[in-house]
Amino acid sequence: NAGVTQTPKFQVLKTGQSMTLQCAQDMNHEYMSWYRQDPGMGLRLIHYSVGAGITDQGEVPNGYNVSRSTTEDFPLRLLSAAPSQTSVYFCASSPNGGPYEQYFGPGTRLTVT
Amino acid sequence: QQQVKQSPQSLIVQKGGIPIINCAYENTAFDYFPWYQQFPGKGPALLIAIRPDVSEKKEGRFTISFNKSAKQFSLHIMDSQPGDSATYFCAALITGTASKLTFGTGTRLQVTL
Repeated sequence: NAGVTQTPKFQVLKTGQSMTLQCAQDMNHEYMSWYRQDPGMGLRLIHYSVGAGITDQGEVPNGYNVSRSTTEDFPLRLLSAAPSQTSVYFCASSPNGGPYEQYFGPGTRLTVT
Repeated sequence: QQQVKQSPQSLIVQKGGIPIINCAYENTAFDYFPWYQQFPGKGPALLIAIRPDVSEKKEGRFTISFNKSAKQFSLHIMDSQPGDSATYFCAALITGTASKLTFGTGTRLQVTL
């Protein structure tokens, strides 16, 4: 199993540009989530999904959209990038329908200039 | 509003020492408390987790102590090794609800020779 994969690993955007961070898992996990990690702030939940077709907001959802059309994929869209969205983004998946044992991807480091 | 407070921010111990990382929470509805370990450039990985019906849980050299009345829990690493050098995050969750995991801000541990 590849586990949780994320692409790209690094990305630089200009303010106002849009992009999609890709996340895929091959473990047939129902629960998937997106976090951002900033120095001194830990990991903060952006959006999560408990199954295909079901998504919900986390702690810091503004400026981000998600969709879950399949069990495997959970892309995160930045609608109009802002410097405040410079961060490391992690996707995670979990069996058991909730974030009890999350498997994290390797992360995407995003810089917005 | 930070729901899970973690301390210290950083910690240096000698090999063989017992680093202790502390977390405190306010919301008494939290009923699942995992710890994650993160190496530089990697995503976090689940280390150990505890529910409030037990006061202590051990997995190898890692022990969680839980004090329900004080709303505090801590991670102890016995016989610490340089390979334990990483960032450690505590987290808390209310099971059976919207299932959003709340992380502490992290503790950077360095184990020296």
